[in-house]
Amino acid sequence: KAGVTQTPRYLIKTRGQQVTLSCSPISGHRSVSWYQQTPGQGLQFLFEYFSETQRNKGNFPGRFSGRQFSNSRSEMNVSTLELGDSALYLCASRTGHQETQYFGPGTRLLVL
Amino acid sequence: GESVGLHLPTLSVQEGDNSIINCAYSNSASDYFIWYKQESGKGPQFIIDIRSNMDKRQGQRVTVLLNKTVKHLSLQIAATQPGDSAVYFCAENFGDTGRRALTFGSGTRLQVQP
Repeated sequence: KAGVTQTPRYLIKTRGQQVTLSCSPISGHRSVSWYQQTPGQGLQFLFEYFSETQRNKGNFPGRFSGRQFSNSRSEMNVSTLELGDSALYLCASRTGHQETQYFGPGTRLLVL
Repeated sequence: GESVGLHLPTLSVQEGDNSIINCAYSNSASDYFIWYKQESGKGPQFIIDIRSNMDKRQGQRVTVLLNKTVKHLSLQIAATQPGDSAVYFCAENFGDTGRRALTFGSGTRLQVQP
């Protein structure tokens, strides 16, 4: 099976812009979670989607949003980018009934 | 590029030795634990997991030990190889179905000396 894929792999944006990141889960996986990884804060949970519904949400401002499509692919959007949003954004998928999450390679976002 | 903390605790071992990476978790209600390995520029890679009804689980060259009394998790890697060099994260999970989310530790950098 192909692993979790994320596009794009790298992005450079400027403050105030918005960005959309995409994640394709492992085939058959219906749950997609998003995480932000920074040197200062480590890996932090953003949200989880299951069957097109947001099932859980971390402590991030409303500028961070996401959605999931009927084929389980997911997107996350960050509006009004701030310098502190520079990070590696990771997507992880699982079947929805099992705990083990499998991560993609991440999208590295740099906000200038 | 660097994707994890610059001041992580570091464990340096000789090739062929056994490695033990420790993790203190925070929530006594956590019932699922998982170890990931992250190489530079890559996403975390699943290594092994364990549920709270177990205290030991073995995989290929790896063993996870769980001590719920002191909220401690360890990852043992046998016959450590240069390819094991990476940052290792433990994570815990708790809560009702639908409200669960992994909480990650800060990570440990493993350096394997040839």
